[in-house]
Amino acid sequence: SQQGEEDPQALSIQEGENATMNCSYKTSINNLQWYRQNSGRGLVHLILIRSNEREKHSGRLRVTLDTSKKSSSLLITASRAADTASYFCATDASFQKLVFGTGTRLLVSP
Amino acid sequence: DAMVIQNPRYQVTQFGKPVTLSCSQTLNHNVMYWYQQKSSQAPKLLFHYYDKDFNNEADTPDNFQSRRPNTSFCFLDIRSPGLGDAAMYLCATSRDVASDTQYFGPGTRLTVL
Repeated sequence: SQQGEEDPQALSIQEGENATMNCSYKTSINNLQWYRQNSGRGLVHLILIRSNEREKHSGRLRVTLDTSKKSSSLLITASRAADTASYFCATDASFQKLVFGTGTRLLVSP
Repeated sequence: DAMVIQNPRYQVTQFGKPVTLSCSQTLNHNVMYWYQQKSSQAPKLLFHYYDKDFNNEADTPDNFQSRRPNTSFCFLDIRSPGLGDAAMYLCATSRDVASDTQYFGPGTRLTVL
């Protein structure tokens, strides 16, 4: 299966701290995407990084990609309670579909 | 402005009673997807349409069917729901290929009694 593995499965931090979550995948990719899912809701796209990029920033988000290790990391700086959600990486398994990782559940306490 | 709309948000059905979930989009995207997501798991792709071309995942049960009558609408039909089909069903769209960003609806939570 192409499905990515995310680590850690769950992460609990205080507001203001940084949160780092990692994603590993198995086959070559064109790009990797990160999505957020609030409890009981749909997924929201956060950031896309292409296979020829190593790092990308968007606001408080920083994503890195290491294609030699088939891994990516998502860093959320200065976390807020509103960042509490599940975070999924997704890779383009084939031309027309994404495969999602197992997800990291982030809890940010005030 | 809602871009991907799913109705209903919550659906309760009885074991074996057919149910239809609907999805509509205002993005005019070519691709529409249906995912099944069970508690604390990753979304699992059931099938997708690229325009009118239907693409079924190999492990999607025959109990699940889909229709896309036009660009804007896509339906998920569960012919004989079992207890194991209780899940969140997510509809998503993308402009073109999977490498594009996918836009998700809020989901329909299906309960099977």
